[in-house]
Amino acid sequence: DTAVSQTPKYLVTQMGNDKSIKCEQNLGHDTMYWYKQDSKKFLKIMFSYNNKELIINETVPNRFSPKSPDKAHLNLHINSLELGDSAVYFCASSLRGGQEKLFFGSGTQLSVL
Amino acid sequence: KQEVTQIPAALSVPEGENLVLNCSFTDSAIYNLQWFRQDPGKGLTSLLLIQSSQREQTSGRLNASLDKSSGRSTLYIAASQPGDSATYLCAVDGANSKLTFGKGITLSVRP
Repeated sequence: DTAVSQTPKYLVTQMGNDKSIKCEQNLGHDTMYWYKQDSKKFLKIMFSYNNKELIINETVPNRFSPKSPDKAHLNLHINSLELGDSAVYFCASSLRGGQEKLFFGSGTQLSVL
Repeated sequence: KQEVTQIPAALSVPEGENLVLNCSFTDSAIYNLQWFRQDPGKGLTSLLLIQSSQREQTSGRLNASLDKSSGRSTLYIAASQPGDSATYLCAVDGANSKLTFGKGITLSVRP
């Protein structure tokens, strides 16, 4: 009955590989997000989708491609992984996407070797 | 560009103490401010959300205040307990729920 769930929890991979992180929310929310927490613990937004439509696209390398098949899912695909991509990636959701509480998943720790 | 600062980075207090966590932000044009709790290896849990028109919000032993004009917020924790040990982050919402986070304050409450 987890509200925002993301898989996998840990991802260890080699440079140059392509990987995906999946996120699902069962809260009936319209808006979903991807945040990145780097080694210095700074959390920064990467993308947000409202009802499958891209709303926020921060300055993120185009190796990162979000995909929202429906409003309950927002997956993150990363091509040609680099060492600097190592971080914890958090998925989140909110009811409508404006000035509301955010609900976060437990994070995916990505380690690129 | 909005910047959010939380000082100190870490805090250790004995159980039972009342404490105040500070947060400052550079751009007062915000929609709201949220305080989150992050436990090791876990996601963030939203504790309190203060809309820009509000001055404070309370939930149990937690009270958050907002002074938008001076760019400050405080999270007051009453009668701290070891279970309150976690990292507390504040985040301001400029638009479209695009939150700008501080680095957080890691709180340790000693039994």
